[in-house]
Amino acid sequence: GAVVSQHPSRVICKSGTSVKIECRSLDFQATTMFWYRQFPKKSLMLMATSNEGSKATYEQGVEKDKFLINHASLTLSTLTVTSAHPEDSSFYICSATIPSGGTYEQYFGPGTRLTVT
Amino acid sequence: GDSVTQMEGPVTLSEEAFLTINCTYTATGYPSLFWYVQYPGEGLQLLLKATKADDKGSNKGFEATYRKETTSFHLEKGSVQVSDSAVYFCALLSGGYNKLIFGAGTRLAVHP
Repeated sequence: GAVVSQHPSRVICKSGTSVKIECRSLDFQATTMFWYRQFPKKSLMLMATSNEGSKATYEQGVEKDKFLINHASLTLSTLTVTSAHPEDSSFYICSATIPSGGTYEQYFGPGTRLTVT
Repeated sequence: GDSVTQMEGPVTLSEEAFLTINCTYTATGYPSLFWYVQYPGEGLQLLLKATKADDKGSNKGFEATYRKETTSFHLEKGSVQVSDSAVYFCALLSGGYNKLIFGAGTRLAVHP
């Protein structure tokens, strides 16, 4: 149980185009999902908290107009990188939370490698 | 604010050696603590967790004990295998915000 999928796993796009990444909870409903960005050999940087049915909450320094997040259902959140540039190339990872044993556990998707040429 | 500090890597060990990866935290209240593992090219997998002081999380031979007095959650394994080579992240759940705060990660390389 508690499987989170991401699609696509890898994407290459040209500078100036937009790319959509999907995050799905396959066997549970998630009212809250998170989007992270990871640079090579670095830790995860939280970009935003995605709440079903409401606007996402972005971390300081993350451009909300560039990284559009939509959490349209209890099993799907999408991240759209608009007008992508080479500096947006990164590994993007989503997660979904489940209450468990008095706390919340986050289950992570396998990640999406974005390369902007 | 809340934070997590991990020992810097990389850690290089021979197979069957003893592993310790240090993790200390700063937090208000009583956070839940986690260890995640990331294999090359993959997302993170929950390795173990502890939700209160003196709890011991364990999984796949790995253990970590929640030490409130030293604000630590060190990861240990008695005998590592080549397949344990990965990056290990210590994290805390920031109370009331449902957000994970990660340490920088420690890369472990195990050689035959």
